[in-house]
Amino acid sequence: GAVVSQHPSWVICKSGTSVKIECRSLDFQATTMFWYRQFPKQSLMLMATSNEGSKATYEQGVEKDKFLINHASLTLSTLTVTSAHPEDSSFYICSASGWEKENEQFFGPGTRLTVL
Amino acid sequence: KQEVTQIPAALSVPEGENLVLNCSFTDSAIYNLQWFRQDPGKGLTSLLLIQSSQREQTSGRLNASLDKSSGRSTLYIAASQPGDSATYLCACSWGYGNKLVFGAGTILRVKS
Repeated sequence: GAVVSQHPSWVICKSGTSVKIECRSLDFQATTMFWYRQFPKQSLMLMATSNEGSKATYEQGVEKDKFLINHASLTLSTLTVTSAHPEDSSFYICSASGWEKENEQFFGPGTRLTVL
Repeated sequence: KQEVTQIPAALSVPEGENLVLNCSFTDSAIYNLQWFRQDPGKGLTSLLLIQSSQREQTSGRLNASLDKSSGRSTLYIAASQPGDSATYLCACSWGYGNKLVFGAGTILRVKS
């Protein structure tokens, strides 16, 4: 199967700071990466879809200026939570799909963000 | 609106029982459907992927079926074990390379 990693696995930051989360496809080229958010006891909700080399498409209600997504290469996408607040505390999970696997998404292990 | 619903929300069974988890979706024109397992505080483990042209997929003690006309999928777990305890998520895609829409999940507890 295809492997997707995320870094860091967990992060604690102060309110008002920015946090960057990395998502990497380790053994395939990811033309599309997806960023999801999961609040406690809730399911995953898609935040944005990012295609390599182009701007991300954000879901309704997700602030693009707050959640900056960069997908500059076929193996790396980053999500930056700018001016984080306690309500941004959540579990962030990325997934990736590639040319040879475009009908299946492979998920990273997730990043737990806690904003104090 | 394309939505995915899972019932029951929670299920507790004794070890050894066979069980069925249900998933329904509002738009029958799905591209594929996927079942995942999520352990507390962890990421997702893909269990089974069913393409729209398929009726079922099997992996070990797991069997997932798909009925597009009725907008339903079931995940059958045979001879349940305490290690099967987790949250099971159903997710649908309605296009090639498209996003997944997740159900709220079923929390399964298998008692020893």
